[in-house]
Amino acid sequence: GQNIDQPTEMTATEGAIVQINCTYQTSGFNGLFWYQQHAGEAPTFLSYNVLDGLEEKGRFSSFLSRSKGYSYLLLKELQMKDSASYLCAVRDGNYQLIWGAGTKLIIKP
Amino acid sequence: TAGITQAPTSQILAAGRSMTLRCTQDMRHNAMYWYRQDLGLGLRLIHYSNTAGTTGKGEVPDGYSVSRANTDDFPLTLASAVPSQTSVYFCASSDSITSGGSDTQYFGPGTRLTVL
Repeated sequence: GQNIDQPTEMTATEGAIVQINCTYQTSGFNGLFWYQQHAGEAPTFLSYNVLDGLEEKGRFSSFLSRSKGYSYLLLKELQMKDSASYLCAVRDGNYQLIWGAGTKLIIKP
Repeated sequence: TAGITQAPTSQILAAGRSMTLRCTQDMRHNAMYWYRQDLGLGLRLIHYSNTAGTTGKGEVPDGYSVSRANTDDFPLTLASAVPSQTSVYFCASSDSITSGGSDTQYFGPGTRLTVL
């Protein structure tokens, strides 16, 4: 079966750096997405990786290793507004999007 | 630009009643999707439509139906609601890869449905 694993919850301190990992096992691979979802709101698109390596976008970076079935989202200079759930999703060989359950990130002052 | 709108925002429904959740997008995206999101679970695809006039079943289609009469609208109908359909429902759209787009999905604000 197809599976995406993320930690359920993480805690970090304001101003620090946090890395959220995502491992996947899917039938084929056509890209990996990261979304941010604040409580009670809709998911919003953060990043997309289809080739190995690091994609940087401001305070957020996303890394992909296709051979290891692994990605991480790196958040720098954490702010209180970064408290949210972070969803990893993989587009499989049939171009269907498979979603992880999300990682709830708690930022403490 | 409104993007994607959903209605209603929330609803309490008696079991056995029918209901249609509305979804409209103004981005001219080819593909549209309906998901449900339950605590502790990832987003689960209910139905999708790659283009106007076509629909397909997702991971959890039972008890739901959809139609795609035009590009902008993608309503989701519960014919006879049951308590297990209590959930938050998100509509999404994307400019699909088959039409040359990136296929990044953009989400509406959601409908919180409680079936009693």
